[in-house]
Amino acid sequence: GNSVTQMEGPVTLSEEAFLTINCTYTATGYPSLFWYVQYPGEGLQLLLKATKADDKGSNKGFEATYRKETTSFHLEKGSVQVSDSAVYFCALSERTSYDKVIFGPGTSLSVIP
Amino acid sequence: DGGITQSPKYLFRKEGQNVTLSCEQNLNHDAMYWYRQDPGQGLRLIYYSQIVNDFQKGDIAEGYSVSREKKESFPLTVTSAQKNPTAFYLCASSTTDGDNSPLHFGNGTRLTVT
Repeated sequence: GNSVTQMEGPVTLSEEAFLTINCTYTATGYPSLFWYVQYPGEGLQLLLKATKADDKGSNKGFEATYRKETTSFHLEKGSVQVSDSAVYFCALSERTSYDKVIFGPGTSLSVIP
Repeated sequence: DGGITQSPKYLFRKEGQNVTLSCEQNLNHDAMYWYRQDPGQGLRLIYYSQIVNDFQKGDIAEGYSVSREKKESFPLTVTSAQKNPTAFYLCASSTTDGDNSPLHFGNGTRLTVT
C-alpha cells in the first residue's frame, strides 16, 4: 500500500541555518505530494504541494521538488527563523475511488535564536 | 473569512460516557474528514464523508460514529466502546473537483478521558 516516510526528529537548528527534512514515499500510481505545517496547539496548514514529477512547490521560503526517480519530496529552506518552529508533515494523495491522504509521522523542528 | 471551526478546544469526560465533537465549515466543501493525532504519530483517518447523508469508515473507525445531515457539519461521537479515546482530534475538509485538492484543517479538539 501507499506510505510516507520522514526523517525522525526532533530537529534543532540555530536561526539562519539551512533546513532539510527528508521525505520518501511509496505509491502505486502518480500521487500528488504535500507538506503541511502544524504550529503548537493548532491544526495543520498546507505549506506547499506538487502534483507531478519535477514540479517544485514553494511557499514562505520553503521549497520541495517532486522526484519520481528517487520517490522523494524533501523540504528545504535556506535560512530558518524562530517562527518556523513547528511540526512538519509530508503527505501524499492518490486519486482512487475517494480522496485519501497518507501522512508521514511528522518531524518536529525547533529553531533557537 | 472562510474556515473550519472545531469546538470545544478542550474537552474532559469520564470513562464510560459518550462525547460529541463539533466540526463546522463555511468553505462550501463537499468532503469532510476526522483524523486522530497521537504524540509521535502521524494522522490516522477515522471517518470521511464525500457528500451529505453519506460517510465511510477510515482506518480506525471502531468506537466512533459520525453523521452528515448538512453540508456544513460533520460531528464526531466518541463512544464508550473506544478503548483509548484520549487524543487530539482534527477535522478537515476539501473539494472533490479532481485535482487532489489540499485539506483544510480546524484547530482541533483535545479530548481527555479519565
